[in-house]
Amino acid sequence: DIQMTQSPSTLSASVGDRVTITCRASQRIGTYLAWYQQKPGKAPNLLIYKASSLESGVPSRFSGNGSGTEFTLTISSLQPDDFATYYCQQFNSYLYSFGQGTKVEIK
Amino acid sequence: HVQLQESGPGLVEPSQTLSLTCTVSGGSISTSGYYWSWVRQHPGGGLEWIGYIYYSRATFYLPSLKSRLTISLDTPNNQFSLKLTSATAADTAVYYCARLTGDDAFDIWGQGTKVTVSS
Repeated sequence: DIQMTQSPSTLSASVGDRVTITCRASQRIGTYLAWYQQKPGKAPNLLIYKASSLESGVPSRFSGNGSGTEFTLTISSLQPDDFATYYCQQFNSYLYSFGQGTKVEIK
Repeated sequence: HVQLQESGPGLVEPSQTLSLTCTVSGGSISTSGYYWSWVRQHPGGGLEWIGYIYYSRATFYLPSLKSRLTISLDTPNNQFSLKLTSATAADTAVYYCARLTGDDAFDIWGQGTKVTVSS
């Protein structure tokens, strides 16, 4: 099974900061990588698919990059609505798995 | 626009069957290119994909759950369902139904339903 490891687990930042979250896969997965935002009590919300494609309706301050085993989610200028937990998700050999999450907190 | 809504018991006794239904509105469950999925989130926060069903009724399950799991389609009612037999405390989670796209991402989610396995 492919393991997804996110770093950091928690990130403290201020409004306006540039924020980067990293997701590493235990095996190469090409660009089969998606990113989600989740707020307490709510379902995850798709932000990025195929490593770098922005989902319709998602603000352009979110961007994704990477291929193979290392991927990043960047928020160019953190907004108050962005304080949440972020998950990466991979697809390989008909199986899907998620990272453990990165909580973005107010500094 | 497409919306998903989970329904089912919030409490299941150990060794019993956990059964949930997802109702799809605003679109047809028979549309090609989408895979109707279940994902659960344990109390610790981790997300776990459980399995999916395609409109052709082809299914794919997480191997560790395969022996206990059935996902089925009710096309006339635009619903799909999950049955997990021999439930244990480890199955306690918030269960989400979600639409999986051909780009291998979950683009639409239900609001989630909390299921507790306890006597």
